[in-house]
Amino acid sequence: DGGITQSPKYLFRKEGQNVTLSCEQNLNHDAMYWYRQDPGQGLRLIYYSQIVNDFQKGDIAEGYSVSREKKESFPLTVTSAQKNPTAFYLCASSIAERGRRAFFGQGTRLTVV
Amino acid sequence: QKEVEQDPGPLSVPEGAIVSLNCTYSNSAFQYFMWYRQYSRKGPELLMYTYSSGNKEDGRFTAQVDKSSKYISLFIRDSQPSDSATYLCAMSAWRAAGNKLTFGGGTRVLVKP
Repeated sequence: DGGITQSPKYLFRKEGQNVTLSCEQNLNHDAMYWYRQDPGQGLRLIYYSQIVNDFQKGDIAEGYSVSREKKESFPLTVTSAQKNPTAFYLCASSIAERGRRAFFGQGTRLTVV
Repeated sequence: QKEVEQDPGPLSVPEGAIVSLNCTYSNSAFQYFMWYRQYSRKGPELLMYTYSSGNKEDGRFTAQVDKSSKYISLFIRDSQPSDSATYLCAMSAWRAAGNKLTFGGGTRVLVKP
C-alpha cells in the first residue's frame, strides 16, 4: 500500500536532548512537509522540501532541523533549542505541481519528560 | 488576527442531521481550498478539494467557496456517528512559497446515535 509512514508513534524526550522523527513515503511525491499541531491550534508549518537536497524554513523553524537526502525520506530533528517541543508532529507529502493536495502520515506525539 | 478563522466547537448533532461547518479568511490571494477530517491521535485525511469559487459534491459531502465573502463551507448530509471527528479547513495562495497550506484551528464534531 502506498502511503506515508511516521515513526515512532510516541516519543519521550529529556530536557536538553535532541530527538529525530522519521518520515518515509512511497508515493513518489516530490514535496514533503513537517507540521506541528498544538491543542486548539491549526497545523503550523515547520519545514518543507520540494526537491532532494533542498529544503526551506516554514513559519516556526526555530529549534528544528531537517535533511532531504532521498526522495522518500524527510527526517525532522527537534533540538534542545526548541523550548516547547511537546506537540503532535505531522509529516505530509504532495506532488509538486499539485502541491495543495497534501497527504498526511499518522503523526508522532512528542512529550518532554 | 489569524488568517483563517474556524469555530472550535464542539458541534453536537443527532445522527441523520446535516452538519454545517465553515471557515472565514482574510487573505484574498487564497485560491485553493481543502477540508480535512482528523480522528483523535491520527493524521488528517483529505476530504474535499476546491479550486477558486463554486460548489463541489462528493457523496454525502458538499463543499462551497464564496470568495467575495471570503467564506467556505462544508456540509455533511445524513451524518453518522463515524463522522465524529475534528474537521480542518486549509487554504493556499496561487504563488504560495512551497505551496504552503494555511490551516484553521479545526471544529470538533460529535454525532450522537
